[in-house]
Amino acid sequence: EAGVVQSPRYKIIEKKQPVAFWCNPISGHNTLYWYLQNLGQGPELLIRYENEEAVDDSQLPKDRFSAERLKGVDSTLKIQPAELGDSAVYLCASSLEGQTEAFFGQGTRLTVV
Amino acid sequence: AQKVTQAQTEISVVEKEDVTLDCVYETRDTTYYLFWYKQPPSGELVFLIRRNSFDEQNEISGRYSWNFQKSTSSFNFTITASQVVDSAVYFCALSEEGGAQKLVFGQGTRLTINP
Repeated sequence: EAGVVQSPRYKIIEKKQPVAFWCNPISGHNTLYWYLQNLGQGPELLIRYENEEAVDDSQLPKDRFSAERLKGVDSTLKIQPAELGDSAVYLCASSLEGQTEAFFGQGTRLTVV
Repeated sequence: AQKVTQAQTEISVVEKEDVTLDCVYETRDTTYYLFWYKQPPSGELVFLIRRNSFDEQNEISGRYSWNFQKSTSSFNFTITASQVVDSAVYFCALSEEGGAQKLVFGQGTRLTINP
């Protein structure tokens, strides 16, 4: 069974440029999460989807961050415009609804210069 | 508010030594769930264990064991006879909801096992 797939693995952009990350969850998993992991820190939840509905986006900085999961399967996280402080690893995870275990992808490491 | 503290930023031991990773949590809920994840250099977080607040039994899985003590709000993780492949960053996490809906992670402990 394929795991959570994220792309790209690495991205380097200049500040003020837009950037997008893509996530394909495990087949059949209706819950999808985006986490932000700063260097030397634990991941922090940005947004959680149940199917195509964002049920928890309280920690998503909505002035520059947006996310979508139009068909309830794969998801895109966008930053526009990027700032130097956005340099971090963006992790996607998925789980079955109510399941106790979330499966994580390898993440996208973003560097803003 | 929920909080997870992993006071040990880095630990380095020689192979075959036993090592314990500490985790202390804070929550006002009586029902909560505790997790341990492993993050190898490849980057993905690998689920190791989940414990609910009503189950204080210690658990052993091969060389791994977990000690959950509600009296001290701790959920410590011990690796027995450590191996080089155990080198990774280990995260303790807390969820006040039933599943993995909103995990609050500690800062992680970087474990290095030297040959």
